[in-house]
Amino acid sequence: DADVTQTPRNRITKTGKRIMLECSQTKGHDRMYWYRQDPGLGLRLIYYSFDVKDINKGEISDGYSVSRQAQAKFSLSLESAIPNQTALYFCATSERQGANEKLFFGSGTQLSVL
Amino acid sequence: SQQGEEDPQALSIQEGENATMNCSYKTSINNLQWYRQNSGRGLVHLILIRSNEREKHSGRLRVTLDTSKKSSSLLITASRAADTASYFCATDTGGGNKLTFGTGTQLKVEL
Repeated sequence: DADVTQTPRNRITKTGKRIMLECSQTKGHDRMYWYRQDPGLGLRLIYYSFDVKDINKGEISDGYSVSRQAQAKFSLSLESAIPNQTALYFCATSERQGANEKLFFGSGTQLSVL
Repeated sequence: SQQGEEDPQALSIQEGENATMNCSYKTSINNLQWYRQNSGRGLVHLILIRSNEREKHSGRLRVTLDTSKKSSSLLITASRAADTASYFCATDTGGGNKLTFGTGTQLKVEL
């Protein structure tokens, strides 16, 4: 089984709809992240969480919200989806080894907003 | 704006050749990392080089870091068709800041 699991893998929705993307992990990491990937723009950070009671905005949090339901679960919501939120979304976890931190990614959710 | 910029954006080589990708960044870093992404899949961590290191090896991968030029290179030796993927550099500026990814290099290795 994958260590970082995202559901759904693909989703098509309409403008104005509320949608939730889910992420769960079995790696036992405290830190979890949501990124979006657009062609030619690399990955941009939406939100991150260092533990269950910690939520932080990233570079592009407008239009998104998150919930850290448990150490292993971190969900991303689009309250009212718009077409420019069409992108590939990734959840990631990390372990910090001293001053160094590396990420472990899920397989992604391709979201299309029509 | 992106902290890391990869160069070239796309690279096509023959199997067996070496592939070199470059990453430039703007601010001081704690470490720099390289990730690989197969088409439409999640990124996979390849190698991490600390700011006080100049070169690091892992199998067929060789990474160099020049902090004076704020640049890094990833060399894949004896490339294989299975190396076809996008490669991203990511910089960790420390101080609680998060990893910032570049825009990636698309590598195609042809038989």
